[in-house]
Amino acid sequence: NAGVTQTPKFRVLKTGQSMTLLCAQDMNHEYMYWYRQDPGMGLRLIHYSVGEGTTAKGEVPDGYNVSRLKKQNFLLGLESAAPSQTSVYFCASQDRTQYSNQPQHFGDGTRLSIL
Amino acid sequence: DAKTTQPTSMDCAEGRAANLPCNHSTISGNEYVYWYRQIHSQGPQYIIHGLKNNETNEMASLIITEDRKSSTLILPHATLRDTAVYYCIVRVEGNKLVFGAGTILRVKS
Repeated sequence: NAGVTQTPKFRVLKTGQSMTLLCAQDMNHEYMYWYRQDPGMGLRLIHYSVGEGTTAKGEVPDGYNVSRLKKQNFLLGLESAAPSQTSVYFCASQDRTQYSNQPQHFGDGTRLSIL
Repeated sequence: DAKTTQPTSMDCAEGRAANLPCNHSTISGNEYVYWYRQIHSQGPQYIIHGLKNNETNEMASLIITEDRKSSTLILPHATLRDTAVYYCIVRVEGNKLVFGAGTILRVKS
């Protein structure tokens, strides 16, 4: 059972380069999220999506763009990478259930270094 | 800002119960308490969540005080593999989770 899969697992970029991180989930979840985690800190929400074709900003959205063209995929883009975006990026998905507040399920992360 | 307060670190002997406290004094009536853990370099792993009743699953138990201002996560028989950072989270603004710094639990043999 795959759950939430993130690709790539590691990447090194030069300042100014662009790239896209892919998150795929096979649980038919409506909600998806992108977080970043920096050393010694908890996760911070970048962007999220409550359904196919919809996205919204989280706590730290600057420098990132996202797209949710298909329900199972949530893409995170860096148009012009900066050293401050060196981080570990986690994707999560969540079932939409009105009454039970289902938990978020996380992938194993993408470790991104910007030189 | 996170709406929860947790101790920075705790130690527990292998085989003993680990009791991890969390204060959430500003929790509102419809906000759930979630516990996740993160083992080194891995993604956060969901453990348990609850609203006002105590909850138990195959991993842990969650005890929430009657006034809901605090809770305790209990790992009944801690093993070395339970060494991790444990996050107590109160959901804010719809579906967004706000992670604090968490508690580093060290299980020692």
